[in-house]
Amino acid sequence: DGGITQSPKYLFRKEGQNVTLSCEQNLNHDAMYWYRQDPGQGLRLIYYSQIVNDFQKGDIAEGYSVSREKKESFPLTVTSAQKNPTAFYLCASSMLGGRTDTQYFGPGTRLTVL
Amino acid sequence: DAKTTQPPSMDCAEGRAANLPCNHSTISGNEYVYWYRQIHSQGPQYIIHGLKNNETNEMASLIITEDRKSSTLILPHATLRDTAVYYCIVKPGGTSYGKLTFGQGTILTVHP
Repeated sequence: DGGITQSPKYLFRKEGQNVTLSCEQNLNHDAMYWYRQDPGQGLRLIYYSQIVNDFQKGDIAEGYSVSREKKESFPLTVTSAQKNPTAFYLCASSMLGGRTDTQYFGPGTRLTVL
Repeated sequence: DAKTTQPPSMDCAEGRAANLPCNHSTISGNEYVYWYRQIHSQGPQYIIHGLKNNETNEMASLIITEDRKSSTLILPHATLRDTAVYYCIVKPGGTSYGKLTFGQGTILTVHP
């Protein structure tokens, strides 16, 4: 069953703690993305990666870090430096090299920092 | 990236066609029109995309005007499960890094 998985669905952490969100895809997609969504808002790009061992900052990268050691995995760490970490986090992936690079999204992780 | 304008909300009766409009008057020649939808607390779901020709798949049809300044997403027989926020996005094709810029979208409510 192909797709994008994110875990956990809900995550609670205390203020000041780092937390890592998982994103895995078995679609053999080249690129992976992390977005953040706040209530009533659109999605904002945090980081993206087009190839293993390489990634680029998006529009709101401060307070976040990522790694891309494997093609199918793109974990996101929300650090204690992120001022407002409570949000809905969405991972996406896409093929590259064609006429278009349609992004497909995972189910999301809702992070609440207490 | 070109900006899009969508009505904030629309209603549709179950079983009828839902026609969701989108204006993208500043679209560039290499920009595609994408449609996604998001049901509450879920990830966005890809629906359809097109460049200049009309497109149809198992979920919907996309009608793009000849001047490409506007488009309409058509759900031919809306069901209650189609209630969601629908986003119209324009984005360059090819090997751009692919950021999707989501606006406010249209809240479609399908009622019995």
